[in-house]
Amino acid sequence: DAGVTQSPTHLIKTRGQQVTLRCSPKSGHDTVSWYQQALGQGPQFIFQYYEEEERQRGNFPDRFSGHQFPNYSSELNVNALLLGDSALYLCASNTDRGRFNEKLFFGSGTQLSVL
Amino acid sequence: DQQVKQNSPSLSVQEGRISILNCDYTNSMFDYFLWYKKYPAEGPTFLISISSIKDKNEDGRFTVFLNKSAKHLSLHIVPSQPGDSAVYFCAASARYNNNDMRFGAGTRLTVKP
Repeated sequence: DAGVTQSPTHLIKTRGQQVTLRCSPKSGHDTVSWYQQALGQGPQFIFQYYEEEERQRGNFPDRFSGHQFPNYSSELNVNALLLGDSALYLCASNTDRGRFNEKLFFGSGTQLSVL
Repeated sequence: DQQVKQNSPSLSVQEGRISILNCDYTNSMFDYFLWYKKYPAEGPTFLISISSIKDKNEDGRFTVFLNKSAKHLSLHIVPSQPGDSAVYFCAASARYNNNDMRFGAGTRLTVKP
């Protein structure tokens, strides 16, 4: 049973560039959330996708956008990269069944470095 | 805004002893709390959770205690094992906004043989 997979594992970009990160959820999961984890901090919620739509968004600018495909996989896009966007980007999946859907399954993350 | 705080960045414990990791929160609307464990180069993995209707939840060597009046929760690991060495994140969510889970900054636990 494949867990949450993310690609690439590491990425180096320069300021102003655009980046796309990819995520495949755990088998049987239909909901994907993205988190940003800066060095020395906990993961911070970016947004969540369900049924191919952004269902909820955290306190991140519009430079951060996403997409969910019919097979439930998801992409995170960041435009006009800033040095402060350097972080570990975590994808997490779960199912929408039940009231508490917070038991997230995380991927290993994509380490983004912006130079 | 730091709604979930883990004030101890690190903790070192001898194997076999108890590890106690603490977490404080400020949002009184939080009603579901979780602990995640993270090893290097891996994503966080779910460890244990507790609903606000309870004050204790136990799973093997792991017990989470919730003190709603103090807005404080703690994770007890007994007995601690070297394999428990990892970063532990406390997380919380609210029923009205349960897709936006808030995490603390984490506590790095080192269990010495």
